[in-house]
Parts: sequence; structure tokens; C-alpha cells
Amino acid sequence: GAVVSQHPSWVICKSGTSVKIECRSLDFQATTMFWYRQFPKQSLMLMATSNEGSKATYEQGVEKDKFLINHASLTLSTLTVTSAHPEDSSFYICSARVPGEQYFGPGTRLTVT
Amino acid sequence: AQSVTQPDIHITVSEGASLELRCNYSYGATPYLFWYVQSPGQGLQLLLKYFSGDTLVQGIKGFEAEFKRSQSSFNLRKPSVHWSDAAEYFCAVGAKTGDSWGKLQFGAGTQVVVTP
Repeated sequence: GAVVSQHPSWVICKSGTSVKIECRSLDFQATTMFWYRQFPKQSLMLMATSNEGSKATYEQGVEKDKFLINHASLTLSTLTVTSAHPEDSSFYICSARVPGEQYFGPGTRLTVT
Repeated sequence: AQSVTQPDIHITVSEGASLELRCNYSYGATPYLFWYVQSPGQGLQLLLKYFSGDTLVQGIKGFEAEFKRSQSSFNLRKPSVHWSDAAEYFCAVGAKTGDSWGKLQFGAGTQVVVTP
């Protein structure tokens, strides 16, 4: 089946620094990718939807200048958390969609100290 | 606006017993409905989905779900639970958009604990 990978799987960064998370569709091309955020023992909250070659669409309440999303190719989307703070610590999950299917990555655990 | 409710936050079931997880949705038209499973620290795995047709949907790992329009429900069932079924289960709804669906709205999740 189709595989979505994320890198890194786990990252620790210091407050004030930026961190980039990559999401790749390994054996298929995805025109649409989604980024979700999940707090411990909570549901997934959609942060943004990105389409290849165009600007991401952010959900209400998500700071687009803080969570930079780039969808440069049909197989790669990146999420950059800029000037990270401890409250940005969370589990970030990407998802890639093709007609009729949506696949989820394994997630990236971000801890900001 | 679409929404999903999973009334049970936590369910404990004995291994070998049956399991039913409830999901209620709110959406004006026919929704696309999904059940996902998430193991600790992992992403989501699709168990099954419903778009149209037969209201009883078979999924992977022995799971099935039944769409009941009159009750706005899409409950997940498994006749006999295995210890490996311990995980978090999420119901999700998407609005039909062309041949696909729009962004998914997830329920709060149900934590399933399996006891020996």
C-alpha cells in the first residue's frame, strides 16, 4: 500500500529556534497534503491544507507565519515551526491524499525546551 | 458544519469479547465516514470507510461498521477482540467534494483497553 513518511520522527529543540518537519509520499504523488496537530490523548486538529505549487490554506486560529508550510513537489511537503516555544510541543502528523484515498504519516514528536 | 461525536472516551473489554465503538455525526448531506486506529506514538491506519452503497462495511483486522442514516451513526464493531486491538480509535467525517472529500473532521477518540 501507499506509504507516507515523516522525518524526523522525534525532535527536541530549544525555545526560539526553528525546526523543519518533512512529509514524503514514497510511492505515489499527492496533489493535496494536510498537516495535523495532536496533543496528548486528544484528537487530531487540522492545521492547514497544502496543494502542490500553491500557498497553504490555514485553519482558523493557526498562525501562518509561525507554521510555514511548503509543498514544493507532488511528493514532498514541509512544515517549519518558527521561533518555537514550549507550547508548540506536540505530535505533528501529515497526510497525503489522492482521489479516493488518504494516507497518514507516522507523526513527528516535537519537544521544545 | 460537519461534526463528529464519540460518546465513549474509554472502553475496557476482555480479550475474546465483542467490541462496539459509537460514532455520531452531524452533516447536512451524505457524508464520507471513516474509522482509523492509532497505536501509541504512531500515525493513523484506516480500518474502513463508507461512501455509499451497502450500509454494512467490512474493514481490515476483522472490523466492520454500519451506517445508519436515521440515527446519524457509524458504529464500529468487532466480534472478538484481540490484545493487539488495544489502541485509540477515531471516527472521522468528510464532506463530498467532487469525486473525493474535503478536509476530515475527527472525533475525540475512544481509548480501548483489552484485559486478559
